[in-house]
Amino acid sequence: QKEVEQNSGPLSVPEGAIASLNCTYSDRGSQSFFWYRQYSGKSPELIMFIYSNGDKEDGRFTAQLNKASQYVSLLIRDSQPSDSATYLCAVTNSGGSNYKLTFGKGTLLTVNP
Amino acid sequence: SAVISQKPSRDICQRGTSLTIQCQVDSQVTMMFWYRQQPGQSLTLIATANQGSEATYESGFVIDKFPISRPNLTFSTLTVSNMSPEDSSIYLCSVPSTGSEETQYFGPGTRLLVL
Repeated sequence: QKEVEQNSGPLSVPEGAIASLNCTYSDRGSQSFFWYRQYSGKSPELIMFIYSNGDKEDGRFTAQLNKASQYVSLLIRDSQPSDSATYLCAVTNSGGSNYKLTFGKGTLLTVNP
Repeated sequence: SAVISQKPSRDICQRGTSLTIQCQVDSQVTMMFWYRQQPGQSLTLIATANQGSEATYESGFVIDKFPISRPNLTFSTLTVSNMSPEDSSIYLCSVPSTGSEETQYFGPGTRLLVL
């Protein structure tokens, strides 16, 4: 069973702080890694993807990937109340079906003004 | 990214009935995906809908319960058949990004409550 694990939270940070969201995955052959943001009552919105080991930055967001440790994280700098949402980690499965995404259960982030 | 719409946005249904959910995309895509998100849970892939061929179902999902149609490259339907309260979920369709089938974008979802 291929699994993606996330701390369910809630993770609470003050406005302006760095929020750190973590994810581990069991399928060592996974190739691609995604972070989705889901506001309450809304559908998931893609915010970051990463394919290679290391860091990838996009605005206030940085994704970090360590394939040896099977670990991917998302850092949100200068957190804003509008960042309050559930963050879903997703990975593709190995075995030739690269479009199949396995999702974690998500981490609820609350940014306090 | 593609613009995706779903109908209905929400519905309340009686057990034993069926509901067909529509997914429309503003561009042609080879694959469309159907997911389920049960209350408090993450997303689970139900099936992949390919135009011109039968849908590919994931373990635990069967065609009799979730028949899918894919009549063209911009449209798909998912039917939830013989519903029970356990089928109360959000049903989402997604499509891959142009040039990267691994990157998926989601429609707004259909919120289903079965009484």
